[in-house]
Amino acid sequence: DQQVKQNSPSLSVQEGRISILNCDYTNSMFDYFLWYKKYPAEGPTFLISISSIKDKNEDGRFTVFLNKSAKHLSLHIVPSQPGDSAVYFCAAKYNNNDMRFGAGTRLTVKP
Amino acid sequence: ETGVTQTPRHLVMGMTNKKSLKCEQHLGHNAMYWYKQSAKKPLELMFVYNFKEQTENNSVPSRFSPECPNSSHLFLHLHTLQPEDSALYLCASSQDRSPGGEKLFFGSGTQLSVL
Repeated sequence: DQQVKQNSPSLSVQEGRISILNCDYTNSMFDYFLWYKKYPAEGPTFLISISSIKDKNEDGRFTVFLNKSAKHLSLHIVPSQPGDSAVYFCAAKYNNNDMRFGAGTRLTVKP
Repeated sequence: ETGVTQTPRHLVMGMTNKKSLKCEQHLGHNAMYWYKQSAKKPLELMFVYNFKEQTENNSVPSRFSPECPNSSHLFLHLHTLQPEDSALYLCASSQDRSPGGEKLFFGSGTQLSVL
């Protein structure tokens, strides 16, 4: 039962443009959402998070938007840089339960 | 020194071998996790230890055996694995399991190949 879905396995954008990575979830109990970034040969690293009481959280070039009615969140990166090229994982959880991950989206930012 | 260190980085083993994966965290965290990442699949939680006590075992086959001797060290003992067990095994830690303390810090993983 895949409760967190990233339907786009890959995304390619030009340097300087906006990257939008999407994530959908099915469990309405989720109340905390995170994005992780993973470079080859490294473990995932935390990027940004959002609580269900908010609909937007911003940190520099990274903004996460949460649409609870649609059970959808997105990560916006603007402007995109070649160093942002990585696999991005969406994750969600509630209370003390397991964190559920999506399968990831591979972002390629072209110079 | 990274926060979560895993060894070895790569491991090739036969189906009859016994090996162990090691994880050490230097962050003072109280919770540690083993995750499995197969190609193009979501990370799958295998085991959770909170304050050295195993709190979850997500229907993992007995050929995988975790050990947590203290809150800084976590092992995954492997024996009689199958080729389908080939994957990236990631260790992670978090402050604890309570809401707000659950941000995970991952190691670089062990890429396991079972022949």
